[in-house]
Amino acid sequence: QQQVKQSPQSLIVQKGGISIINCAYENTAFDYFPWYQQFPGKGPALLIAIRPDVSEKKEGRFTISFNKSAKQFSLHIMDSQPGDSATYFCAASMIGNQFYFGTGTSLTVIP
Amino acid sequence: KAGVTQTPRYLIKTRGQQVTLSCSPISGHRSVSWYQQTPGQGLQFLFEYFSETQRNKGNFPGRFSGRQFSNSRSEMNVSTLELGDSALYLCASSLGQLGNTIYFGEGSWLTVV
Repeated sequence: QQQVKQSPQSLIVQKGGISIINCAYENTAFDYFPWYQQFPGKGPALLIAIRPDVSEKKEGRFTISFNKSAKQFSLHIMDSQPGDSATYFCAASMIGNQFYFGTGTSLTVIP
Repeated sequence: KAGVTQTPRYLIKTRGQQVTLSCSPISGHRSVSWYQQTPGQGLQFLFEYFSETQRNKGNFPGRFSGRQFSNSRSEMNVSTLELGDSALYLCASSLGQLGNTIYFGEGSWLTVV
């Protein structure tokens, strides 16, 4: 059973556009929600993270929006650049450091 | 500060063999967790160690095992390899407190033939 559902599976955006990736979860015990960026041949790198007591967090061009009642959170990449082309994973954790990951979104930013 | 280091980066094994992968966490990090990444199943949690004790375990068969040493370095072992074990094995480290961010290494690519 997929604890964290992520969509879309792939996304193509024009340079300068906004990329939006969505995730949903069921377990209300989750209390930490990070996003990871992964380039081919590399391990996932932490991008930005949020806790459920905050509805939005922004770091540079990256923003997480969190809707606790809907059990959904999303990543917005503003002014998307070709260098942002990568696979993005959302994740959630509760006890200890067991993280549950979404299935990933392959983002392609067209120049 | 050096990141998470995993060795070897690439390896090819034959069905039925066993393999040991190594992970050195970020200095000061006491928790090490292991994940298997495949195109079909995505990132799946294997187990997590903190202060040499397994704290959490995912839904993998007993052929997958691990351990952590007193210097926080960790190893994972897969015995009786199957073709389906071909994957990228990722190690991640964290300070160890609940809800801490985990930082991944570059992974070990295992191919079973």
